[in-house]
This record gives sequence, C-alpha cells and structure tokens, in this order.
Amino acid sequence: AQTVTQSQPEMSVQEAETVTLSCTYDTSENNYYLFWYKQPPSRQMILVIRQEAYKQQNATENRFSVNFQKAAKSFSLKISDSQLGDTAMYFCAFMNNNAGNMLTFGGGTRLMVKP
Amino acid sequence: DGGITQSPKYLFRKEGQNVTLSCEQNLNHDAMYWYRQDPGQGLRLIYYSQIVNDFQKGDIAEGYSVSREKKESFPLTVTSAQKNPTAFYLCASSPGPTAYEQYFGPGTRLTVT
Repeated sequence: AQTVTQSQPEMSVQEAETVTLSCTYDTSENNYYLFWYKQPPSRQMILVIRQEAYKQQNATENRFSVNFQKAAKSFSLKISDSQLGDTAMYFCAFMNNNAGNMLTFGGGTRLMVKP
Repeated sequence: DGGITQSPKYLFRKEGQNVTLSCEQNLNHDAMYWYRQDPGQGLRLIYYSQIVNDFQKGDIAEGYSVSREKKESFPLTVTSAQKNPTAFYLCASSPGPTAYEQYFGPGTRLTVT
C-alpha cells in the first residue's frame, strides 16, 4: 500500500514571497503519478499540478512548480510570488496507474498568505 | 455548463437512519469516486466505479453502499452501520483509465446526531 506524508501541518508566507510545501511518499511501484490539490475555504478541491513519475523534468504551472526527486520519493511544491488567494489547504496525492487510478492523499498543509 | 454536482450542500440526519448522497456529472466521464474527509485530514477513498454497473471498495467502505446504474450518476448511501458518519463527502470523476486527473464536486457536509 502507498502512503503519503506531509510533514508541515501549517505554514505561512508573506504576500509576494516564495514558499515550499513538502511531501514524501512510499511505494514499490515504478509507474505512478503525483498531484498537488488546493482546497480553499469553499472546500472545492482544485488540481494545481501533476507530475508523471517517468518524466525527469519537473512540472511547472505558472507560479507553481514541483521538485520531484524519484529516488528520494519526494515531491515538494513551490509557490512563487504568493498571493492572498493562495491561502488554502494543500494536499499531495499519489496515483498508482495499475490500481484503478485511485488517489492516496497526504494529511494536508494549511497555508496562510499574509498581506 | 459541464461539471459535477453534489446535493445537498448540507445534510442532517438522526442516528440510525440511512441517508443517500447524490453525485451527478455531465462530463461523460467513465470513472467516478467517493471520498470522505474528516476535519484537518486528507481524503480517504470509500468506493469507486470505472464503468456502469461495476464498482469496487476503497479503503474505508464499511458502512457505505453505492450503485452505478447510469454513467452520469453515482449515489452513496451512508447506512446505520457506519459508526462515525459525520464528515465531509466529496465525489470525483475521471475521463477513464488512460486519463489521470480527477475532477471534484463541491462536496456534501453530513451531520448525524
């Protein structure tokens, strides 16, 4: 079974600064996907970024980028130029594409962006 | 507009009653999923369905049941056998086995007293 660990329950960052959220996972699989989801106070889950394990290049989506270290089983999210609207819970998630595309989530990191 | 709808947003029930949560999608997605979220925690998979008339248990299926009679609908019944039913329930869908993003509905907050 896969496990996903987010070791930072809460973090804060000043507006316009950069913050990095950590995620580690444990799996014996070689083919998988990793995701970061954002859950604002509305509780709607929003996909932020996706990384395929077979790709060495780190995924980037505008101000969001990841540092994927496959050997270390680490998948951190960097948010650049933080905005007040980035305030939310952030969840790291793992998908084994040999197991019905089920997502396994970490416990989440609550990010507060301060003005 | 295409999307996933869950109704109602808030649901209240007395202990011992079964309750059914609705999830509908008009995205023509093959796969649908039900997750439970407890305060301050991540999501845990209850049930999932990859095609009509077929579904599988997730990590915490005990006390829950589902059906998938139509592609666009995947209702979740929380039975009286579920010991701690109060939680936030999220439904998601995905285009199919070769697509890996899951798209989430707005969720239903169930309170059982």
